[in-house]
Amino acid sequence: AQSVSQHNHHVILSEAASLELGCNYSYGGTVNLFWYVQYPGQHLQLLLKYFSGDPLVKGIKGFEAEFIKSKFSFNLRKPSVQWSDTAEYFCAVKTTGANNLFFGTGTRLTVIP
Amino acid sequence: GAGVSQSPSNKVTEKGKDVELRCDPISGHTALYWYRQSLGQGLEFLIYFQGNSAPDKSGLPSDRFSAERTGGSVSTLTIQRTQQEDSAVYLCASSRDRQETQYFGPGTRLLVL
Repeated sequence: AQSVSQHNHHVILSEAASLELGCNYSYGGTVNLFWYVQYPGQHLQLLLKYFSGDPLVKGIKGFEAEFIKSKFSFNLRKPSVQWSDTAEYFCAVKTTGANNLFFGTGTRLTVIP
Repeated sequence: GAGVSQSPSNKVTEKGKDVELRCDPISGHTALYWYRQSLGQGLEFLIYFQGNSAPDKSGLPSDRFSAERTGGSVSTLTIQRTQQEDSAVYLCASSRDRQETQYFGPGTRLLVL
């Protein structure tokens, strides 16, 4: 069965620090990849997505992610975090045969001012 | 435009009672999904509707769970004889079709006492 792993459960950073959140998946075929973010008290919002083409994708608020097919990874990065980035981040994968998204368990990011 | 809406936002019920959760997808979106988010876990797929096709019920955890989608728009998720382990946030998402990005509603937080 397909699975998505987010190894960092809780990350605490100071403002201006660089961020990298890991996401690995287990599926050998074609995938669409997503990062969603859930700010405190708000609903899930799309941060960025990869369907095809350039494996380095840029999203909202300065976030980017790189799809490395050989490593089955889609890590999220931001060069300098802000306090307002405090949120929970979910990696999700859609495989060609499935109707639904497969989600990781999420990474809680706390940014200290 | 308007996003996905869900009602109620919170529901407290007693064990053994039935509950109904409602989802109103984005206008024009033919695909509709229900997911469940339990404490400390990622999102778990429940059911998928696409137009007038038979729904994909592969994620429903038991026969106490059912859902319908009337007129290709509004959907209702019903949980019969609720159990304490049903306590979770139930999320609805919609997309233009199966291959497109899913947009999530704010969720219904269900607490079974």
